[in-house]
Amino acid sequence: QVLLQETGPGLVKPSEILSLRCSVSGDYMTRGSFYWTWIRQAAGGRLEYIGHVSTSGSTNHGSTYNPSFWGRATISADLSTHQISLTISSVTAADTAIYYCVAHRVPCPPGRSFDVWGQGAMVTVAS
Amino acid sequence: AIYMTQSPSSLSASVGDRVIITCRASQAISNNVGWLQQKPGEAPKLLIYASSTLESGVSSRFSGSGSGTDFTLTISDLQPEDFASYYCLQDYNSWSFSFGQGTKVEIK
Repeated sequence: QVLLQETGPGLVKPSEILSLRCSVSGDYMTRGSFYWTWIRQAAGGRLEYIGHVSTSGSTNHGSTYNPSFWGRATISADLSTHQISLTISSVTAADTAIYYCVAHRVPCPPGRSFDVWGQGAMVTVAS
Repeated sequence: AIYMTQSPSSLSASVGDRVIITCRASQAISNNVGWLQQKPGEAPKLLIYASSTLESGVSSRFSGSGSGTDFTLTISDLQPEDFASYYCLQDYNSWSFSFGQGTKVEIK
């Protein structure tokens, strides 16, 4: 079973860039086809899909984003370091949330796109 | 975008009760629904996928049903460890995942 670990600064100033990394255990990233997804959860509890990047073996197939984050979020995969990154630009207090890295193998059965979660990283946007 | 409307937002129940949580999709999504459980301070955990298939290791007290636009999660014989928040999710389109608002199950 793949293990995921999110890391990043806990505090980001308004208007700056939020950057997070998700480390993937072992060489799991290159052992098949996966979606690597970022989800966030603000204080109210609602889960929000940010976007995902698709990889297959040693090939990066590109990223897909929630239109709500279009132009602000970038998700990429580094297959050499086994890491997934997320950046969100021009952050505001509304971006304060726990950010989760989630993985699933593709293809997967319907409804099973969120079966492996990291423990989450809390990010606060404040001056 | 596909929207998932989940209800109720919270409920109070006693140990041994049966609890039903519902989710309605804004369009037909076949059986592309899963259910997550989240306890305080923890990441969500997948309980059910394909609307009604139990994830490995999940108690048979949990069951799911539905297809198209209407889906339910049923918890039978509620146990102390079941008090948590529950979320439905849809992955009908690989470019547009979404979640319900969540249901917090509290002890009466």
